[in-house]
Amino acid sequence: GENVEQHPSTLSVQEGDSAVIKCTYSDSASNYFPWYKQELGKRPQLIIDIRSNVGEKKDQRIAVTLNKTAKHFSLHITETQPEDSAVYFCAASRSYGTGTASKLTFGTGTRLQVTL
Amino acid sequence: GAGVSQSPSNKVTEKGKDVELRCDPISGHTALYWYRQRLGQGLEFLIYFQGNSAPDKSGLPSDRFSAERTGESVSTLTIQRTQQEDSAVYLCASSPMRQGYEQYFGPGTRLTVT
Repeated sequence: GENVEQHPSTLSVQEGDSAVIKCTYSDSASNYFPWYKQELGKRPQLIIDIRSNVGEKKDQRIAVTLNKTAKHFSLHITETQPEDSAVYFCAASRSYGTGTASKLTFGTGTRLQVTL
Repeated sequence: GAGVSQSPSNKVTEKGKDVELRCDPISGHTALYWYRQRLGQGLEFLIYFQGNSAPDKSGLPSDRFSAERTGESVSTLTIQRTQQEDSAVYLCASSPMRQGYEQYFGPGTRLTVT
């Protein structure tokens, strides 16, 4: 089955700096890669996703890149703010384009701390 | 519109008792998923439904765990003879499928087995 590895487990950056979180996946059939942000005691919130027919996607201060050959994808947050502090999870699934549901396999999470 | 809802939000039960957790997906969402999140850990897949059939139950930890879904609406996750290692937050998510593959999560049920 799919295995998703995520690094680093913790990341501390100063406000205004950039943060990068990296994930690798094992199943070459995976074709949908979402990123979730989870604040303490809250539900995971989808912040951005990318599909395997796209190499990069950007939404304001966040961007995700995908390298299918190397089977890795990354989350980039620029101009970090204190409210970006949370745990971020990457995930992978095979659901895109199949018309059938498919589970998400999650990475182990990265705790991002943005300091003033 | 209304998001995914789950009940109860918190459940404390004694070891050996059965519990039932409920998930109301977003209206019209075909797919429904259950995940478990232990304290400080990532999310573990349990089971998903497409409509009311469950094509993938591979994540259910043991035969004490079961789930069902009525049509494309409510789902219940039942844990029989609860054990302390069942303590976790149980998260439900739903996905529209026809319009997209995003999974939207509910607030979770925090289960504590004493």
